[in-house]
Amino acid sequence: DIVMTQSPDSLAVSLGERATINCKSGQSVLYSSNNKNYLAWYQQKPGQPPKLLIYWASTRESGVPERFSGSGSGTDFTLTISSLQAEDVALYFCQQYYSTPYTFGQGTKLEMK
Amino acid sequence: QLKLQESDPGLVKPSETLSLTCTVSGGSTGSTDYFWGWIRQPPGKGLEWIGSISYSGTTYYNPSLKSRLTISVDTSKNQFSLTLSSVTAADMAVYYCARGRVIISVGAFDVWGQGTMVIVSS
Repeated sequence: DIVMTQSPDSLAVSLGERATINCKSGQSVLYSSNNKNYLAWYQQKPGQPPKLLIYWASTRESGVPERFSGSGSGTDFTLTISSLQAEDVALYFCQQYYSTPYTFGQGTKLEMK
Repeated sequence: QLKLQESDPGLVKPSETLSLTCTVSGGSTGSTDYFWGWIRQPPGKGLEWIGSISYSGTTYYNPSLKSRLTISVDTSKNQFSLTLSSVTAADMAVYYCARGRVIISVGAFDVWGQGTMVIVSS
């Protein structure tokens, strides 16, 4: 199984400031034949299902605000929220879909400072 | 607008079989553009992918559950289902059904149901 490790486990950021969440995979999730990283980011608010934010490591899902961006390749990835809004307080998960079993990171809790 | 709704299994006794159905509205389980999956989340914990199925019935299972797991699709009813046998307390979780787009890949999910809590207790 590919182990996904996120850091930090929790993060407190002031309104309007940048938030950065890291995700490291136990092996590369870059598929050489199409040069795509099989890495997704999800946001989960209390009592709600996860919401897909980013796929292919950096492609924003339709309707997701531009302040959310993903970067990285191979084994190291980052989710950045450029200017934190109150509604961004949530749990964030990375997920690899390169190989089964598809696995998630343990989650990063993002709070407002 | 696509909506996914999990059935409510109520209480499941240890060693019995869990059966869940996801009803899809606003879309078709027979579409070649999508696949369907199950993910679970124990209270206060992270997410675990259970398995996925294509419109044609091709399945992808988590090896840790494969011996107990069956996922099927019924395109005539616009539903897909999960059965998990010999449940234990370790299977207690919120179970989500979800949709993925083939163009992205089998394992990423863009639309989720609200989830249903499965309690295992005698």
